[in-house]
Amino acid sequence: QQQVKQSPQSLIVQKGGISIINCAYENTAFDYFPWYQQFPGKGPALLIAIRPDVSEKKEGRFTISFNKSAKQFSLHIMDSQPGDSATYFCAATTEYNFNKFYFGSGTKLNVKP
Amino acid sequence: GAVVSQHPSWVICKSGTSVKIECRSLDFQATTMFWYRQFPKQSLMLMATSNEGSKATYEQGVEKDKFLINHASLTLSTLTVTSAHPEDSSFYICSAIGGGGPRGEQFFGPGTRLTVL
Repeated sequence: QQQVKQSPQSLIVQKGGISIINCAYENTAFDYFPWYQQFPGKGPALLIAIRPDVSEKKEGRFTISFNKSAKQFSLHIMDSQPGDSATYFCAATTEYNFNKFYFGSGTKLNVKP
Repeated sequence: GAVVSQHPSWVICKSGTSVKIECRSLDFQATTMFWYRQFPKQSLMLMATSNEGSKATYEQGVEKDKFLINHASLTLSTLTVTSAHPEDSSFYICSAIGGGGPRGEQFFGPGTRLTVL
């Protein structure tokens, strides 16, 4: 059973547009929700993360929206740039088992100039 | 800070040989390190969790004798793919917890591309 479901699988956005990637989870014990950015041939890099005590977190052009009741969280990339073209993974874990990260299936973002 | 390195970045080997991949935390002590496997265009699959000085905990379906993990120090973990076969070809990524980052944050290495001929 997939613990974290991510959509869409791929996304094409024009430069300057807003990229939105969604994730949904089942386990209400999850309390840490990071987003990772991965370029081809590289390891994932932490982009931004949120805990369930807030509904939104913003860092520069990147914003996480969190809906605890719906068990959903999403990544918004404002003013998307060609350099943002990468694969994005959401993940979730719990305080009591933070060794175990459950990753979404990934979204390949292509920002067209 | 909080940099994780992997060596080698890519390796090609013949079927039947063993390959060792190193994962190092360069500027922090990693209490826990993780090994992931990633197939093309797919997500990361956790293979095992290793804590310094103790045996690794393998995920279900991962062969312990095939993928040997040693976490000898707080800055080094190694993954040895024994008797490698073409189906072991993959992108292997390590990550580490520590470095004073937020609770639960994992720092990922750049990955190692293994190709078994």
